[in-house]
Amino acid sequence: DAGVTQSPTHLIKTRGQHVTLRCSPISGHKSVSWYQQVLGQGPQFIFQYYEKEERGRGNFPDRFSARQFPNYSSELNVNALLLGDSALYLCASVGGAKNIQYFGAGTRLSVL
Amino acid sequence: GEDVEQSLFLSVREGDSSVINCTYTDSSSTYLYWYKQEPGAGLQLLTYIFSNMDMKQDQRLTVLLNKKDKHLSLRIADTQTGDSAIYFCAVVYSSASKIIFGSGTRLSIRP
Repeated sequence: DAGVTQSPTHLIKTRGQHVTLRCSPISGHKSVSWYQQVLGQGPQFIFQYYEKEERGRGNFPDRFSARQFPNYSSELNVNALLLGDSALYLCASVGGAKNIQYFGAGTRLSVL
Repeated sequence: GEDVEQSLFLSVREGDSSVINCTYTDSSSTYLYWYKQEPGAGLQLLTYIFSNMDMKQDQRLTVLLNKKDKHLSLRIADTQTGDSAIYFCAVVYSSASKIIFGSGTRLSIRP
């Protein structure tokens, strides 16, 4: 039984570019959440999607967007990258009776 | 507002118990979690407790919740070198379907 998979594991971009991060949830889970973790801090909530609809949004600019596909996988898109977007981006698969969030290993984004 | 606070560092001797503390501000929490993060890795769910419980024990881990004081703690018995990591307290708020994380407590083990 596969866990939460995220791709790519590492990514290097330059300022102003666009990036797409991908996440596949645990089989049977219909909800995905995205988090940004800057070095030395706790994860910050970006989005939650359930059944392809946005259920929650954190305090992030409109440069950040996401979507969920019919197979419940998800993409996080960030436009016009800034140096401050450098972080570990974590995806959580949400499911089960208790709605526990299980995290993937993350995508480490470096913006130069 | 929603805020979760933890002390940044904790150092304990191998074999002793570790107690990591967390306080939160909003009383509308539903679940409270403890996650472990090792260097370069994602978050590993250690344990969780529902807001209507006071205590939960799971092998070497004991979680205590004081709702009146909005205080959560994680006790690790017989701390081992493999327990070295950053531990995050996280609180789920049903109104926004999101988790608020603390800034993490770095646990180091002395021989």
